[in-house]
Amino acid sequence: EVQLVQSGGGLSQPGGSLKVSCAASGFAVTTNYMTWVRQAPGKALEWVSTLYPAGDTFYADSVKGRFSISEDKSTNTLELQMNSLRVEDTGFYFCARMVVLAVTPKVNWFDPWGQGTLVTVSS
Amino acid sequence: QSVLTQPPSASGTPGQRVVISCSGSRSNIGSYSVNWYQQLPGAAPKLLIFKTDQRPARVPDRFSASKSGTSASLAISGLQSDDEADYYCASWDDSLNGPWVFGGGTKLTVL
Repeated sequence: EVQLVQSGGGLSQPGGSLKVSCAASGFAVTTNYMTWVRQAPGKALEWVSTLYPAGDTFYADSVKGRFSISEDKSTNTLELQMNSLRVEDTGFYFCARMVVLAVTPKVNWFDPWGQGTLVTVSS
Repeated sequence: QSVLTQPPSASGTPGQRVVISCSGSRSNIGSYSVNWYQQLPGAAPKLLIFKTDQRPARVPDRFSASKSGTSASLAISGLQSDDEADYYCASWDDSLNGPWVFGGGTKLTVL
């Protein structure tokens, strides 16, 4: 079964760091397109970052220079390292596999999703 | 302010048909396919519709979707109480807003 199980997150003061992890089963993280999406309390989904199989990384402007997406091949895990955290980074963080049409990566969808991890940034 | 515009709420009674709209622009819906995600209360989002009108095998055919120009829509027929959830549209976007954009979400209430 294709599944994503998340861990990490928690509470940090502004300016601090946290890491969220996403363990995959049923497929290899390194050969797939992987994504992080977040959701502030009571708000809409917001794309955060995507990692291509070739190693290309993409970040939303709001997190660029502060967040880093990577993968651990030994544990088949996707990670998001979050530094210089701000209050507005608070929310649930979801990992997801991005399914891509072979013809163009611009036709894609997110499936499956992890269960979500809560990140709280507060003094 | 989300790049794709959805009504914040929708409602219907059991058995009814409900349609949720998603409005975008030429840089997203007007040029690329649309996906829809269902988020049940307290749960992670799940893929509901991909490539504008395709359903994963696990999704019942009560759910259908389409697009025209720069707008898309999700229709739910034979409304059931467990359809009560938040629904999000999403698309690729070629502008500075992109590349992955979501709608603001529509909260569906089954009366």
